[in-house]
Amino acid sequence: HLQLQESGPGLVKPSETLSLTCTVSGGSISRSDYHWDWIRQSPGKPLEWIGDIYYNGDTYYSQSLKSRVTMSIDTSKGQFSLNVRSVTAADTAVYYCARHPRAENWFDTWGPGTPVTVSS
Amino acid sequence: DIQMTQSPSSLSASVGDRVTITCRASQSISSSLNWYQQKPGKGPKLLIYDTSNLESEVPSRFSGSGSGTDFSLTISSLQREDSATYHCQQGYRTPFTFGQGTTLEIK
Repeated sequence: HLQLQESGPGLVKPSETLSLTCTVSGGSISRSDYHWDWIRQSPGKPLEWIGDIYYNGDTYYSQSLKSRVTMSIDTSKGQFSLNVRSVTAADTAVYYCARHPRAENWFDTWGPGTPVTVSS
Repeated sequence: DIQMTQSPSSLSASVGDRVTITCRASQSISSSLNWYQQKPGKGPKLLIYDTSNLESEVPSRFSGSGSGTDFSLTISSLQREDSATYHCQQGYRTPFTFGQGTTLEIK
């Protein structure tokens, strides 16, 4: 039974870097038939797809965040990570990690989410 | 980006009612429309993919329909455990985008 769990600081100061990790358990992160995604939801707004990473390190980022986002993957630890640079209050959100099948465009497994507040 | 508009934003219904939530895309997305159910404090759960395909173990009272720009999610006989927020998502083109969500309350 695959499970995803986000972890990281709940509070980040403006202009600093937000760093989150997603730990995958009950299944392999090295599977070639899945991508691993980050999605967030700011208060009062729809869910927003940030981007995804493949087991070999290939990434695809949403254009709106591309200049500030980096994703990485550590298959030996079963983890993938998100960094968002130069954060502002607009980056305050609940951040989710999720998985989507390589040939499809839906998210079949999600983590419970972790709230991140950007404030001094 | 493709904009997704859900309606209503919230609704209240009774156990046993038939409930329909709609989702409209700003351009044609063929059948690439997915639905999720989210309960408080949890991540979204995939209910329906590609407009009308029920995810494994999702009760058959849930169904989806539509094509092009207009889609709907129907719960045929509402149960108390269906109290949740429902999100639509287009998978036609990146960036994948979501509707603003519909909060369903059980009277």
